[in-house]
Amino acid sequence: ELKVEQNPLFLSMQEGKNYTIYCNYSTTSDRLYWYRQDPGKSLESLFVLLSNGAVKQEGRLMASLDTKARLSTLHITAAVHDLSATYFCAVDFINQAGTALIFGKGTTLSVSS
Amino acid sequence: DTEVTQTPKHLVMGMTNKKSLKCEQHMGHRAMYWYKQKAKKPPELMFVYSYEKLSINESVPSRFSPECPNSSLLNLHLHALQPEDSALYLCASSQELDRTEAFFGQGTRLTVV
Repeated sequence: ELKVEQNPLFLSMQEGKNYTIYCNYSTTSDRLYWYRQDPGKSLESLFVLLSNGAVKQEGRLMASLDTKARLSTLHITAAVHDLSATYFCAVDFINQAGTALIFGKGTTLSVSS
Repeated sequence: DTEVTQTPKHLVMGMTNKKSLKCEQHMGHRAMYWYKQKAKKPPELMFVYSYEKLSINESVPSRFSPECPNSSLLNLHLHALQPEDSALYLCASSQELDRTEAFFGQGTRLTVV
């Protein structure tokens, strides 16, 4: 059974601080996805990590992938209030029938001044 | 056009009603998905369609009936739902059923009374 585990599940940060969200998964996938979800809204794609060692950055967020360790990180630099949201990592679930994304439980981030 | 459009945005239905959720994309994507998301939980995979054929059914109760009339449209027919089926229903599409980035619609907020 594919497992995707995120930690922490809840994160309260002060503005200007740095922090990292971790995503561990149990399959031998070489692709990992990060999504953002605001309350009551849909999922917004943040990063698509396609290979071992992939690193992508957008603004104050940077994501990396280590397929050997089955670990992805989402690093937040100098947090601002606008980053408050729930962040999901997701991994491809592949079987004979097809492929779909399986999500971690999500990390709810709250940034306060 | 990078949008996945879902209608309606909100739906309230009784347990004896029949209703349908609709999803449309014009990106030429050949894989489409239905996910169900309860409050403060990750999206859970329900169905996967590839080239208009049902590829994955994650043991979803028969009161949920998917349909893919053509490559741009995906429906979810609802009948005799229970209050616990109240959730955000998300449609997504990806270019192929081969581990690619999924784009999500805005979702339909369903309330069963």
